[in-house]
Amino acid sequence: DQQVKQNSPSLSVQEGRISILNCDYTNSMFDYFLWYKKYPAEGPTFLISISSIKDKNEDGRFTVFLNKSAKHLSLHIVPSQPGDSAVYFCAAKTGGGNKLTFGTGTQLKVEL
Amino acid sequence: SAVISQKPSRDICQRGTSLTIQCQVDSQVTMMFWYRQQPGQSLTLIATANQGSEATYESGFVIDKFPISRPNLTFSTLTVSNMSPEDSSIYLCSVGQGDGNTIYFGEGSWLTVV
Repeated sequence: DQQVKQNSPSLSVQEGRISILNCDYTNSMFDYFLWYKKYPAEGPTFLISISSIKDKNEDGRFTVFLNKSAKHLSLHIVPSQPGDSAVYFCAAKTGGGNKLTFGTGTQLKVEL
Repeated sequence: SAVISQKPSRDICQRGTSLTIQCQVDSQVTMMFWYRQQPGQSLTLIATANQGSEATYESGFVIDKFPISRPNLTFSTLTVSNMSPEDSSIYLCSVGQGDGNTIYFGEGSWLTVV
């Protein structure tokens, strides 16, 4: 049972444009969500997170939006840069729990 | 965030052998975890490494196959025992910091079993 889903395995965006990566979840007990960026054969790098008490969190070029009623979150990257090309994972956890449940990832390619 | 170092970064292992991966953190952390990412798959939690007590394993993972040590608040090891090609994965050490909600990862140990 895939509790966290990233339905787009890949996304291609032009440099300077906005990248929007989507994530859906099914477990209503999740209350904290994180986005990670990962290069091949490296560990994931934490990007940004959001608590379920918020619907938006910004950090520089990265903004995460959370729609609890739809059980959907999205990561916006603007402007997109070639160095943003990587696999992006969303992850979720329940309050007080330690386990992160990851989505399957979206390969972002930012083209010149 | 803490600096998390793993050794080895990659290795090629013979079927049936065992390999121990080390994880060193540059500061004391309460929570340490071990994850696995098999080729083309997402990341999956193997276990929580508990300091001074036995690790807590997730469903599908057992101590005999993945023994874990956590002798102090900055160090942990994961052993992959009696390896088969299906164990070829990236193994990732991670720690919880701050309020514990944000989990940071090491650079990973890429094991290939032949």
